Amino acid sequence: QAQLVQSGSELKKPGASVKVSCKASGYSFTSYAINWVRQAPGQGLEWMGWINTNTGNPTYAQAFTGRFVFSLDTSVSTAYLNILSLKAGDTAVYYCARASGPTYWFDPWGQGTLVTVSS
Amino acid sequence: QSVLTQPPSASGTPGQRVTISCSGSTSNIGSSYVYWYQQLPGAAPKLLIYRNNQRPSGVPERFSGSKSGTSASLAISGLRSEDEADYYCAAWDDSLSVLFGGGTKLTVL
Repeated sequence: QAQLVQSGSELKKPGASVKVSCKASGYSFTSYAINWVRQAPGQGLEWMGWINTNTGNPTYAQAFTGRFVFSLDTSVSTAYLNILSLKAGDTAVYYCARASGPTYWFDPWGQGTLVTVSS
Repeated sequence: QSVLTQPPSASGTPGQRVTISCSGSTSNIGSSYVYWYQQLPGAAPKLLIYRNNQRPSGVPERFSGSKSGTSASLAISGLRSEDEADYYCAAWDDSLSVLFGGGTKLTVL
């Protein structure tokens, strides 16, 4: 069945960058979009945006423009989230989730990647 | 503060029926399907209800969703201890952004 497996936890210093991976299996990677969702410690879910795995075109939620970059490597069915110039406020669990496209549901989700930003 | 409003907490005893509400506006719930996600402690969210009231395979019939106008509800009947989790509603808005509710922590007493 469809599965998304994310890379492991990261500990970074402020100002550094981090790249989170999301590897898909069990389905045709380019037939579904990949969404990214952030969950700060003890907080709710926040949608970051999505990437069209067919065209590579990313769409960012308003709060995630500038330092957040979505990318793909379709040869290995993997989506990436790159966060630049990390701040303490970026400390969160980041999830990837599959969707058929805009207006569709998220299923499945990756297991999440904890990114901790601390000096 | 989330655009979709959920009660922060809900509770019930085993066997009871519990409902969780999700309130939005005409630009989101009023013009979109509503989705519900269950997040068990320490786990990733999982799809519970899609397109207002559809259950993915594997989700027990005890879980049901409904939508009316700019509000939606998730009902859980025959409450069980393993239902203790955070529940999030979600909807796409007119600008094709996803909105999540703030989440409801369900406690099984």
